[in-house]
Amino acid sequence: DIVLTQSPATLSLSPGERATLSCRASQSVNRYLAWYQQKPGQPPRLLIYDASNRATGIPARFSGSGSGTDFTLTISSLESEDFAVYYCQQRSNWPLTFGGGTKVEI
Amino acid sequence: EVQLVESGGGLVKPGGSLRLSCAASGLTFRHAWMTWVRQAPGKGLEWVGHVKSKPDGGTADFTAPVKGRFTIFRDDSTNTVFLQLSNLKTEDTGVYYCATSFFPPRALRTFYFFDNWGQGTLVTVSS
Repeated sequence: DIVLTQSPATLSLSPGERATLSCRASQSVNRYLAWYQQKPGQPPRLLIYDASNRATGIPARFSGSGSGTDFTLTISSLESEDFAVYYCQQRSNWPLTFGGGTKVEI
Repeated sequence: EVQLVESGGGLVKPGGSLRLSCAASGLTFRHAWMTWVRQAPGKGLEWVGHVKSKPDGGTADFTAPVKGRFTIFRDDSTNTVFLQLSNLKTEDTGVYYCATSFFPPRALRTFYFFDNWGQGTLVTVSS
């Protein structure tokens, strides 16, 4: 199985700051990586797919980059609604796998 | 707008069975690969399995820990997908989400992401 390791586990920032989240794969996933946001009591929401493409309705402050084994999700200027847990997920091979998550907290 | 509504969760003893349902609307259901993802309490996300659309073969596949114990089937006449859980273990406890598969533009219909999600239904396996 492809293991996705997210870092840091927790990111403590203030509104208006820049957030940089990392996802590292145990083997190359090409660019077949997505990012999701999950708030307490809610299902995940697709933010970025295939490393750098924003999903429908996602604000431009969210951007993704990377390829191979190293990926980054950047939130350029944190809004209050962005404090949540973020997961990466690969679609390079079965089983589809998720990272362990990064919590972005105030 | 796509809506997915899960039901059927509850408390079940180890070794027991449960059937989850997911009613879908707002999409061309017969063309969608329908999937299930679970989340143990306070933990991360785990892909459980999917059922392909009938034009793509209609077959199901699962993650290794549930193979042989879980089945997925679909009823395109009612836009509903079902997850049958059998021989349940305590480690199966969690929220089970129904989700639709998302194949990026120009991508082959093999591996996918998840674009629409239900609110989830809680399954608790405990004696």
